[in-house]
Amino acid sequence: DQQVKQNSPSLSVQEGRISILNCDYTNSMFDYFLWYKKYPAEGPTFLISISSIKDKNEDGRFTVFLNKSAKHLSLHIVPSQPGDSAVYFCAASGQYGNKLVFGAGTILRVKS
Amino acid sequence: DTGVSQDPRHKITKRGQNVTFRCDPISEHNRLYWYRQTLGQGPEFLTYFQNEAQLEKSRLLSDRFSAERPKGSFSTLEIQRTEQGDSAMYLCASRSIAGAGNEQFFGPGTRLTVL
Repeated sequence: DQQVKQNSPSLSVQEGRISILNCDYTNSMFDYFLWYKKYPAEGPTFLISISSIKDKNEDGRFTVFLNKSAKHLSLHIVPSQPGDSAVYFCAASGQYGNKLVFGAGTILRVKS
Repeated sequence: DTGVSQDPRHKITKRGQNVTFRCDPISEHNRLYWYRQTLGQGPEFLTYFQNEAQLEKSRLLSDRFSAERPKGSFSTLEIQRTEQGDSAMYLCASRSIAGAGNEQFFGPGTRLTVL
């Protein structure tokens, strides 16, 4: 059962525009959500996170929005840069912060 | 460099052989996690340690898999009698439970190919 879903396998965006990556989850026990970025042949790199007590968290060009009633979160990158081209994974964890449950990832391509 | 390190980065083996991977976490991190990632999928949890205690194992971790963290520092993941279905990227991550968030920090992974 896929508890975390990223329904868009890929996204292509023009440099300077906004990239919006989406993620849905089914388990209401998840209370912490994270986004990771992955380049080929490297491990995932932590980008930004949000606790379920918040609905928005911002860090520079990256903003994560959480809609608990819809069990949906999104990552906004603005402005998008060619170096942002990578695979983005959404992940969720439960109350005691143990294992992360990942989505299948979205390939972001930022065109210059 | 004080990040998570993994060794080897690549391993090619024949079906039926045993392989062992090593992970060195960030030094002050007391939790260590193993994940497996196959093509087109996100990482899947295998097991985790708090210090030297193995606290949870996924049903993905068959009896051919064993993990240890003998002194609460580095960890090893052994796969016995490898099968072609074991081919994947094996990722290690660590975090400190003293930290405010649940972020885990990943190593570069070990790419296993079983022929």
